[in-house]
Amino acid sequence: SSELTQDPAVSVALGQTVRITCQGDSLRSYYASWYQQKPGQAPVLVIYGKNNRPSGIPDRFSGSSSGNTASLTITGAQAEDEADYYCNSRDSSGNHLGVVFGGGTKLTVL
Amino acid sequence: QLQLQESGPGLVKPSETLSLTCTVSGGSISSSSYYWGWIRQPPGKGLEWIGSIYYSGSTYYNPSLKSRVTISVDTSKNQFSLKLSSVTAADTAVYYCARHKGPWEPNDAFDIWGQGTMVTVSS
Repeated sequence: SSELTQDPAVSVALGQTVRITCQGDSLRSYYASWYQQKPGQAPVLVIYGKNNRPSGIPDRFSGSSSGNTASLTITGAQAEDEADYYCNSRDSSGNHLGVVFGGGTKLTVL
Repeated sequence: QLQLQESGPGLVKPSETLSLTCTVSGGSISSSSYYWGWIRQPPGKGLEWIGSIYYSGSTYYNPSLKSRVTISVDTSKNQFSLKLSSVTAADTAVYYCARHKGPWEPNDAFDIWGQGTMVTVSS
């Protein structure tokens, strides 16, 4: 199956902008979705499709894509944004349908 | 508001079959717009998609787990279920159920999740 690669950890100063990336061959053909997960909680969808935010997600979260890399940008990071972030996409390998997740990025807000 | 709730044993013995059910409330599992999936997360690790089902019974699975996984749906109870056979300690994880648009939707994403249930494989 396809793989999606994320940096294990990223940090950002309070109020600054941070970009979290996700790399994989499937991203050349399919959109990535992004999830925020805080300790002990279920993941929450924050970005899907080209750059869509579900209701209730602050507009400081945005998504973009170029080639085999998708990015989640948080503009003006807040303390409550400290969490693990996961990307996912369709599995493009072989001739089977599937879903693949990245390994996750732990975001620290300093 | 649509909600999903996982249920099932929290402890399963090695070599036995793990069985979980996800109950959908506040909406119908028979919606033509959605698939229903299972995702797991071992302690301290990342998310792994297990498989998904449509209300008609159509399924697709993670190739790495396909030989051991069965997902089924009971529209009369608004539930879908997961069975994972021949479990080992490596199957110890929090198991989530979630809703998504499915493999034919460009904007596919898991938009509603259950709270998750911890399953430990141990004798």
